[in-house]
Amino acid sequence: QKEVEQDPGPLSVPEGAIVSLNCTYSNSAFQYFMWYRQYSRKGPELLMYTYSSGNKEDGRFTAQVDKSSKYISLFIRDSQPSDSATYLCAMSRGGATNKLIFGTGTLLAVQP
Amino acid sequence: GAVVSQHPSWVICKSGTSVKIECRSLDFQATTMFWYRQFPKQSLMLMATSNEGSKATYEQGVEKDKFLINHASLTLSTLTVTSAHPEDSSFYICSARPGTGNGELFFGEGSRLTVL
Repeated sequence: QKEVEQDPGPLSVPEGAIVSLNCTYSNSAFQYFMWYRQYSRKGPELLMYTYSSGNKEDGRFTAQVDKSSKYISLFIRDSQPSDSATYLCAMSRGGATNKLIFGTGTLLAVQP
Repeated sequence: GAVVSQHPSWVICKSGTSVKIECRSLDFQATTMFWYRQFPKQSLMLMATSNEGSKATYEQGVEKDKFLINHASLTLSTLTVTSAHPEDSSFYICSARPGTGNGELFFGEGSRLTVL
């Protein structure tokens, strides 16, 4: 079993739709949870960064963490064609040099 | 946000040659940098953790003699792919975290290596 599971998609939605992206994980020691956006042939760009359980909102993006269920989500409201990219969840146990474990990424296409 | 720069962004080399990729943190110091590899349509796989002034820590299955990592300063880490083969063709991405602790991890733009 992988430490982090993420549906690879692809996920296609019409412009303006609400997008829900999810990851599950098996290691209860994870405390830091991140969502990255990666455009084709580019490095990942940090979208959201959360610690422990709870919600965090930033503009059209909302990240949710449910540690009891080992489940994290990213919601995108009013999706735009420019949101079309691969979205990667990542998590770590913490600590100065602690490594990130990534999901496989979900390819999102927002149709105009 | 903080900036991490990689060079070159794209390189083609012949089989058997060595290729060096640089990773620089432009506006912060990074005691630790991370090197990832990403194959097409796959996620990022951590190869090694680069520690300034000491030996890198390699993940299981990554050959340390093939992927040489040097973290010579607090703003520069290099990855050298030695005796490259076509199966080494991949997207190599570095990342760095300002200071210590659990702050945000910033990624470079990646370096695409094609070995002929």
